[in-house]
Amino acid sequence: GQNIDQPTEMTATEGAIVQINCTYQTSGFNGLFWYQQHAGEAPTFLSYNVLDGLEEKGRFSSFLSRSKGYSYLLLKELQMKDSASYLCAVRGRGNMLTFGGGTRLMVKP
Amino acid sequence: GAVVSQHPSRVICKSGTSVKIECRSLDFQATTMFWYRQFPKQSLMLMATSNEGSKATYEQGVEKDKFLINHASLTLSTLTVTSAHPEDSSFYICSASGGAELGTEAFFGQGTRLTVV
Repeated sequence: GQNIDQPTEMTATEGAIVQINCTYQTSGFNGLFWYQQHAGEAPTFLSYNVLDGLEEKGRFSSFLSRSKGYSYLLLKELQMKDSASYLCAVRGRGNMLTFGGGTRLMVKP
Repeated sequence: GAVVSQHPSRVICKSGTSVKIECRSLDFQATTMFWYRQFPKQSLMLMATSNEGSKATYEQGVEKDKFLINHASLTLSTLTVTSAHPEDSSFYICSASGGAELGTEAFFGQGTRLTVV
């Protein structure tokens, strides 16, 4: 089966850095995704990791350790518009994505 | 990038009626489409996986006779909520996966907000 855990809520200050952790236990692994989702909207793709290490894309970076079943999403220079839910998802058999519960990030001035 | 169009974006229907939601891949052939359901403040829950030309695979607890999925072509999958009830009110999202040339990203439709009254 699949088990993906991430914190339910986080709060951070505008301009700061925040790290959202995700741990997973899955029967198959073909990559880990991070998505951003604003309320009432579909998720939008942020990052993809399949090998260990850090992937950087602008203000967003994502890290993966397959041996530890661990990933994090790092958001730098936080902006108010970054307030959203961040979903960790693991790709398993047949291209299927299993999502964690999502982390609701609130950015405060 | 690849585009997935989902229609309608919002629908209100009476209890007992059926609602059809369409998911189209506009510029690629979607060999596999996934249907998710999301309740407020919760994450996406996979309902079913459909491969073009074959029967959908439903996740445990999802009634296949209530949520009819058809994936008749490489660009279109439909989800029909039959005899809808208020507890079926939710946000339904499809995603599509294409061939190897599209890599590993899953492309999402815009979602459909279903309200059953």
